[in-house]
Amino acid sequence: ETGVTQSPTHLIKTRGQQVTLRCSSQSGHNTVSWYQQALGQGPQFIFQYYREEENGRGNFPPRFSGLQFPNYSSELNVNALELDDSALYLCASSLRTGTMGYTFGSGTRLTVV
Amino acid sequence: DQQVKQNSPSLSVQEGRISILNCDYTNSMFDYFLWYKKYPAEGPTFLISISSIKDKNEDGRFTVFLNKSAKHLSLHIVPSQPGDSAVYFCAARRSMDDKIIFGKGTRLHILP
Repeated sequence: ETGVTQSPTHLIKTRGQQVTLRCSSQSGHNTVSWYQQALGQGPQFIFQYYREEENGRGNFPPRFSGLQFPNYSSELNVNALELDDSALYLCASSLRTGTMGYTFGSGTRLTVV
Repeated sequence: DQQVKQNSPSLSVQEGRISILNCDYTNSMFDYFLWYKKYPAEGPTFLISISSIKDKNEDGRFTVFLNKSAKHLSLHIVPSQPGDSAVYFCAARRSMDDKIIFGKGTRLHILP
């Protein structure tokens, strides 16, 4: 059973650019959630996908968008990057009807300069 | 609006003693509460959870207590070990929408 894998692990982008982060879910999980963790903060919910449909969104602007594919892998896209977007981006997979928590990947550290 | 609050940014405990991490929440619709542990350069890992219909759940050295009337939960680690040094996140979820809300975390230092 594989866990959640994210790529890339680190990324440096320039303000105004666009970025795509990728996530492969744990085998058997049908739900993917994306979180942003700024330095010294807890993970903040960006959005969640269930069976390729967005299933809820946190307080993030529309320039944050996502996709979930039939194999339940996922992408997070951020357009028009701002300095404050610098953070650790965490992907987590789960079972929609599960009562346990998420399985997290190790994250992508994004630095915007 | 911080629905899950961890008011202690850090905590230091002597090895072998009990570590108690506290958490408060505001949303009475939460029906599961979870604790995650995070080491540097790794994603959070699930530690223990408790359903809102229970007041205690124990798993080895880890026990979570829930006080619904006070909207408060705590994680007890006994005895504390050096490998327990990490950031601990309290989290809560509503099973109706499967979203998990995290607190800001408490950094636990286990002293030799």
